[in-house]
Amino acid sequence: GENVEQHPSTLSVQEGDSAVIKCTYSDSASNYFPWYKQELGKRPQLIIDIRSNVGEKKDQRIAVTLNKTAKHFSLHITETQPEDSAVYFCAARSGGSQGNLIFGKGTKLSVKP
Amino acid sequence: GAVVSQHPSWVICKSGTSVKIECRSLDFQATTMFWYRQFPKQSLMLMATSNEGSKATYEQGVEKDKFLINHASLTLSTLTVTSAHPEDSSFYICSARNAGAQETQYFGPGTRLLVL
Repeated sequence: GENVEQHPSTLSVQEGDSAVIKCTYSDSASNYFPWYKQELGKRPQLIIDIRSNVGEKKDQRIAVTLNKTAKHFSLHITETQPEDSAVYFCAARSGGSQGNLIFGKGTKLSVKP
Repeated sequence: GAVVSQHPSWVICKSGTSVKIECRSLDFQATTMFWYRQFPKQSLMLMATSNEGSKATYEQGVEKDKFLINHASLTLSTLTVTSAHPEDSSFYICSARNAGAQETQYFGPGTRLLVL
């Protein structure tokens, strides 16, 4: 089955700097890759997603890139702000359009003012 | 955007009792709902996949007789933790997949269960 690895587990940046979180997946058939942001004690919120027919997607300060050949995808946050501090989870969907999301272990991002 | 509610938000119960958690999709129909368990500072662990009108599919290692799942309608799934023990204390989160946009999953706010 699918296996998703996420790095780093913790990331600390200065306000205004960029943050990059990387994930790799094992199932070459996976075709959907969402990113979720979870603040302490709250629900995971979908912040951006990408499908396998696209190499890059951007939404304001957030972007995701996908390299299907290497089976890795990354989240890029530019001009970080303290409110970006949270745990970020990547996921990959295995098993076709009805498959389950397999989550990475999460990255705790701290943005220092 | 799609809204998923979960009730209760937190519950404290005595060991041996059963606890029911409800998950509702408020503005869309969810043919599939998912139940996750999350321990502190850890990732989301899928427990089971619930399809409307059929039996849930449990992940390996999850006891189906202990974690009863019912998905009676397109907007409601319930998880019952039977004969709860302290080790069942955790954060339980449901997620629903929009039948009209089958890739996107939306999460409920979670239920924090503490078994004394």
